[in-house]
This record gives sequence, C-alpha cells and structure tokens, in this order.
Amino acid sequence: GNSVTQMEGPVTLSEEAFLTINCTYTATGYPSLFWYVQYPGEGLQLLLKATKADDKGSNKGFEATYRKETTSFHLEKGSVQVSDSAVYFCALNPTQGGSEKLVFGKGTKLTVNP
Amino acid sequence: EAGVAQSPRYKIIEKRQSVAFWCNPISGHATLYWYQQILGQGPKLLIQFQNNGVVDDSQLPKDRFSAERLKGVDSTLKIQPAKLEDSAVYLCASSVATGGYFGPGTRLTVT
Repeated sequence: GNSVTQMEGPVTLSEEAFLTINCTYTATGYPSLFWYVQYPGEGLQLLLKATKADDKGSNKGFEATYRKETTSFHLEKGSVQVSDSAVYFCALNPTQGGSEKLVFGKGTKLTVNP
Repeated sequence: EAGVAQSPRYKIIEKRQSVAFWCNPISGHATLYWYQQILGQGPKLLIQFQNNGVVDDSQLPKDRFSAERLKGVDSTLKIQPAKLEDSAVYLCASSVATGGYFGPGTRLTVT
C-alpha cells in the first residue's frame, strides 16, 4: 500500500539553526510528493511539492528533493526562524493525474526558540 | 481568491448525539475532499467528491457518517450517532492533486 513515514517529533531548534525533517514513502506507482505546514490555529498550507524523481521543491527557504532511489523527500532549511514554528506534514499523491487523494505522514512539530 | 470556508470552527457534543459540518470550496473547484485529523496524526481521507458525485468513500464509516454535495458546490458531513473516537479536526479541501487549498477545519470534541 501507500504510506508516509516522518521522523518523530517534537523538534526544538534555536533560531538560525539548520533544519532537517526526514520523510520516506512507500508507493506502488510514481507518486507526487508534498510538504504541508500547519501553523498554530490555522489550516494546512502547501509548502512545496515535487512531481517526479530528482525534482526539487522549494519555498520560503525550505527545500526538498524527490529521491526515488531512497524513496525519500527530506525537508531542509538552512536557517530557521521563530516564525517557522509549526507542524510539518509530508504527503504523497499515489498517482499522476489520476486519483487525487493524499496520504499523509503523522506530522513533525517544530519549535524554534529565539 | 477566497479560500475554503468551513463552519463551525469548534463543536462540543455528547456521545450518541448528531453533528453536521459545512464546507464551501474555492469557486470553480470541482473536486472536494473531507479529511479526518485525529490529534497527533496526519489527516486521513474520508470521502472525495467530483462535482456532486462520490468518487471514493472507501474510508468513510458509513454506519454513522454521511456526506453530500447536492449542487456540486457546498458540502455537508454528518455524524450520527457520534462516538468518543470521532473527536478530531475535520478538514475540507478542494483540488489537492497539485497541492493546496485546505480549509481551517472544524474541531469536534465528543464527551
């Protein structure tokens, strides 16, 4: 089946630290991969995406590269800010252009301290 | 562009009561989804509509949950009767194939 596994949280960092949140997936086809962010009290927002192997998604200083050989889509940011404190979800869409269902990981809570 | 609207934002009910949630997707989005997000977990798809037809309801507990999208726009999700394990945030989303567009959710607490 299709599944997403994220690193366990919570993650606590100091401002300007380097961030990595690991995400690996299992899928039967060629999925699209996503990172969503949920700020306190708000809904899910798309952070970035990649639709094929070796694609790099990027947004707001965050990056993730679709690695088919390791079935991974790790989220990175070189220098986090207090405003990045949120819950981050890795997700996949199992098919390209077909069913549009998303399969989510459990989420990783990030807290950035000043 | 207005986002996905949901109401109410919060609801507290006792077990065995019924409850309904409402969603208004982004204008023009034909595909609408309801997800259930239990505390500490990622969202799980309950049902997917394409216009006013159901595409996938395989994970919807049909003995107690129902959903409709009569005119292909707004949608309602109903739980009757509610159980304690239904406590969760219910998220509505539209057109997520290319990412994006979740509503703020309705937080349901069943006591």
